[in-house]
Amino acid sequence: DARVTQTPRHKVTEMGQEVTMRCQPILGHNTVFWYRQTMMQGLELLAYFRNRAPLDDSGMPKDRFSAEMPDATLATLKIQPSEPRDSAVYFCASGLGTGGQPQHFGDGTRLSIL
Amino acid sequence: AQSVSQHNHHVILSEAASLELGCNYSYGGTVNLFWYVQYPGQHLQLLLKYFSGDPLVKGIKGFEAEFIKSKFSFNLRKPSVQWSDTAEYFCAVNARRYSGGGADGLTFGKGTHLIIQP
Repeated sequence: DARVTQTPRHKVTEMGQEVTMRCQPILGHNTVFWYRQTMMQGLELLAYFRNRAPLDDSGMPKDRFSAEMPDATLATLKIQPSEPRDSAVYFCASGLGTGGQPQHFGDGTRLSIL
Repeated sequence: AQSVSQHNHHVILSEAASLELGCNYSYGGTVNLFWYVQYPGQHLQLLLKYFSGDPLVKGIKGFEAEFIKSKFSFNLRKPSVQWSDTAEYFCAVNARRYSGGGADGLTFGKGTHLIIQP
């Protein structure tokens, strides 16, 4: 079974440090999404890419978050500097570019900022 | 912008009971509808989806959902639940675009935490 792979699975770091989360989408999927899950807000879309081009990052705090796709097999989400309120589970998902196709989720990165 | 409302945040049932989880969405256009399940500590898995056609869709693990356009609803059902159905259930929607096409990011409901007692 093809899977979306996210690393690291867990990350604990101190406030102010840079955090980089990585995602390997399913081979052949041309759309990659980043979501954040918190108890208070639930699941929120942060950004997504199609064919490596950013399509929408309106859900992402621009001052400290950045998302990139250096190549078709890697998507990254960076937080610099990190803050305690960034503590959450960050999910990557990938899908086909055709409308309405389901998204396949990775296992998530559980991030704790102390 | 679309929004999704799940009415029940916590549901507790006994095994073999019937289940219905409510989901309503708000969007002026045509949408694609999904139910995802998240078992403790795991990623989201697709239960079922509706794009077009028969409004009653069947998914995995005996789940089904009915799309009622006039009510903007997409309720999830299962006739007889099992202990292993204990999980968080999310309804989600994305807009269907006719020009340009492409899958949009999902808008999720807050989730329903389902607990099945043996």
